Amino acid sequence: DAKTTQPPSMDCAEGRAANLPCNHSTISGNEYVYWYRQIHSQGPQYIIHGLKNNETNEMASLIITEDRKSSTLILPHATLRDTAVYYCIVRRSGGGGADGLTFGKGTHLIIQP
Amino acid sequence: DTAVSQTPKYLVTQMGNDKSIKCEQNLGHDTMYWYKQDSKKFLKIMFSYNNKELIINETVPNRFSPKSPDKAHLNLHINSLELGDSAVYFCASSQEFDYEQYFGPGTRLTVT
Repeated sequence: DAKTTQPPSMDCAEGRAANLPCNHSTISGNEYVYWYRQIHSQGPQYIIHGLKNNETNEMASLIITEDRKSSTLILPHATLRDTAVYYCIVRRSGGGGADGLTFGKGTHLIIQP
Repeated sequence: DTAVSQTPKYLVTQMGNDKSIKCEQNLGHDTMYWYKQDSKKFLKIMFSYNNKELIINETVPNRFSPKSPDKAHLNLHINSLELGDSAVYFCASSQEFDYEQYFGPGTRLTVT
């Protein structure tokens, strides 16, 4: 799986949009971008994933650049409960790949009141 | 209704003991996993398992073994516990190997 690079920490004011960047310059054509987060003392939580088109669900939006070398996770209206470590993971999908998720250090997002 | 549950939530035991952590999922998934999160907060895959194959991370000592009595359960057995086994262990499940994974709340194991 391709390696990802994320800033170690970010702050965001409550109610504002939180934009979390991720670089994955070595991503291959069959690899997806996944985002998970881990709130303190809880298990990781799936947020969203995408291949090349932008994706949106009830939790967040995922913007992937045209060359697919980077992406941004957007939490549109951050709340204090969004304070967590956010992980960007690149991996294959659609068959094979029973090696689990490879978590990096992630970005510690702190939402300020 | 909890999707992926683990018991116990906390486990304190002495070196050399044998212990088990239970995991159950009610999502109807066919694939389950065990992860270890160490004191530096790094999450690492230990095992991936479905009814077809068990994939073991080569760095996991053979003192650790997963046991699956049925599709909804994947228990983790640990023999001869060592101090370095102290960590938080997370169970997860997914529908097939490559779909999004759902994690349990974790079991904090402390070996004294």
